[in-house]
Amino acid sequence: AQKITQTQPGMFVQEKEAVTLDCTYDTSDQSYGLFWYKQPSSGEMIFLIYQGSYDEQNATEGRYSLNFQKARKSANLVISASQLGDSAMYFCAMRDPNTGNQFYFGTGTSLTVIP
Amino acid sequence: DTGVSQDPRHKITKRGQNVTFRCDPISEHNRLYWYRQTLGQGPEFLTYFQNEAQLEKSRLLSDRFSAERPKGSFSTLEIQRTEQGDSAMYLCASSLVAGNQPQHFGDGTRLSIL
Repeated sequence: AQKITQTQPGMFVQEKEAVTLDCTYDTSDQSYGLFWYKQPSSGEMIFLIYQGSYDEQNATEGRYSLNFQKARKSANLVISASQLGDSAMYFCAMRDPNTGNQFYFGTGTSLTVIP
Repeated sequence: DTGVSQDPRHKITKRGQNVTFRCDPISEHNRLYWYRQTLGQGPEFLTYFQNEAQLEKSRLLSDRFSAERPKGSFSTLEIQRTEQGDSAMYLCASSLVAGNQPQHFGDGTRLSIL
């Protein structure tokens, strides 16, 4: 079974609008961490935001926020006020203590910001 | 903090040859991870070290792959008898031990098998 599922291969958003990128995960553990990374066309993986499974508040980092719904096992990334530089691949990842703290990545969502 | 450094950036080799990649993590990071990423996919876990100990190894990692981190600093990933299917981007990442710490990635080594 997939540990991380990203169901949106591609998304488009108008500049200055908000966009939500979906992520669902699968784990039987109560303690885990969820991460979002951005990968521009240049290839580097850039850490964006972290949510711990015990965190009661949704994580926020600047224009990025995480809509964490633990019961639904979803951790959607919300990007507000989209900018052209936000065009990139976005990966959701989970650290799973059940498997020795391996990180599992989804297949990614390609975001294109339209001017 | 100079970031995670990987060498070489690109490697082109003939099928059947051995290749070795190097990763220098962020100096205070105890954990070091290797991933493989193919086009259109997310990074796929290969193995990870905590200090010099190799703690986890993916079942997908064949016997042709070996990784070392001899002094708990830099790491090498060797692929023996390369095959066409080994063509991919090989990413290295490092992190502190605490669970809320993100991984910091290098720019990767792109391997092309002729």
